[in-house]
Amino acid sequence: DAKTTQPTSMDCAEGRAANLPCNHSTISGNEYVYWYRQIHSQGPQYIIHGLKNNETNEMASLIITEDRKSSTLILPHATLRDTAVYYCIVRTRSGGSNYKLTFGKGTLLTVNP
Amino acid sequence: DVKVTQSSRYLVKRTGEKVFLECVQDMDHENMFWYRQDPGLGLRLIYFSYDVKMKEKGDIPEGYSVSREKKERFSLILESASTNQTSMYLCASSLLGVQENTEAFFGQGTRLTVV
Repeated sequence: DAKTTQPTSMDCAEGRAANLPCNHSTISGNEYVYWYRQIHSQGPQYIIHGLKNNETNEMASLIITEDRKSSTLILPHATLRDTAVYYCIVRTRSGGSNYKLTFGKGTLLTVNP
Repeated sequence: DVKVTQSSRYLVKRTGEKVFLECVQDMDHENMFWYRQDPGLGLRLIYFSYDVKMKEKGDIPEGYSVSREKKERFSLILESASTNQTSMYLCASSLLGVQENTEAFFGQGTRLTVV
């Protein structure tokens, strides 16, 4: 299974962009990169996903390198409520048309006032 | 509003007890997952299911079993609870993998303490 590597923790000033890196050097050509976040005492929440192209939605942007070995999640204007653990996940095949999501330890992003 | 509901938020059980953790989703999702979350270890996949009566082992299935008798319900079973199974348990559901976006929806979690 493709594994991901993320920094354990990061800090960001409120109002600034938060750039969260992720390495997934063993990713296969048809495996998607997903990002989730988990705010304290809640279940993880989906943020964004991508395959090859950069993606943007109302929450964040996802930049995937051309070789697909790494990606960066960008929160353009971080707020205090964005303080959470952010997980970068590679969606891997589990047989047939099915898949599984294997979470790592994630990055604790702390947004400071 | 989509929902994954776990039957208990907090649970305390004794060592050796048989424990059932229940999860229900109302989105007609094919996939359902059980994870446990421990400090410093992140979320680890225990079991998942892609159809009624179908199951697959995740990364840490030892000491657990699962049951999926109906599409909307996925149960995690601890046959004989042990203290090292004290943890936060999270259930999730999603569409089957043929879809491009298989966003997983998570429940609020069950914090199980085995004494």
